[in-house]
Amino acid sequence: QQQVKQSPQSLIVQKGGISIINCAYENTAFDYFPWYQQFPGKGPALLIAIRPDVSEKKEGRFTISFNKSAKQFSLHIMDSQPGDSATYFCAAGGKAAGNKLTFGGGTRVLVKP
Amino acid sequence: SQTIHQWPATLVQPVGSPLSLECTVEGTSNPNLYWYRQAAGRGLQLLFYSVGIGQISSEVPQNLSASRPQDRQFILSSKKLLLSDSGFYLCAWSPGLVLYNEQFFGPGTRLTVL
Repeated sequence: QQQVKQSPQSLIVQKGGISIINCAYENTAFDYFPWYQQFPGKGPALLIAIRPDVSEKKEGRFTISFNKSAKQFSLHIMDSQPGDSATYFCAAGGKAAGNKLTFGGGTRVLVKP
Repeated sequence: SQTIHQWPATLVQPVGSPLSLECTVEGTSNPNLYWYRQAAGRGLQLLFYSVGIGQISSEVPQNLSASRPQDRQFILSSKKLLLSDSGFYLCAWSPGLVLYNEQFFGPGTRLTVL
């Protein structure tokens, strides 16, 4: 009930292309869905987050799409840049999850120039 | 603004030696605090979390323990390290007494047990 499944494990995209990462969750009580970006040797940084009262949230080149009925959400990176090369983690949490987040397994994104 | 510190940044320890990693948060009060471990190329495993001084919840049975002696200080310890304790240890905080769990991570400690 607490699992968050993330795919793909790795992704290679050309500069200017779109990177798409998908996550699926099981616990319908989750109501907070953040995405984190992690560069090698650094701690994850909160990138963007969505709550289930909206189906999409955009911040710059990063967009979260949320499908409540399918229990899925995704991160789209538009106009991908080499500086976007990092590992991305989705997570799920909320009041019903207490004070904890459940993380996906991560996606390593490589943007080729 | 809030900042989170971890030290040391890197540590190499022999098997069987003790461990103490420290995490402190500035610029907030009554935070929730978390310890995660990240194996090479892997995801984040929650080890411990705390909602207040002296209140520790353990997520997985293991060779490690955690303590919170002050409101904004979180310590990860071990009496005798194992090879399997190697990894990247991350501390995180989130605002207490809120509905949603925005968590903010520290820079991490790279632990190598030889």
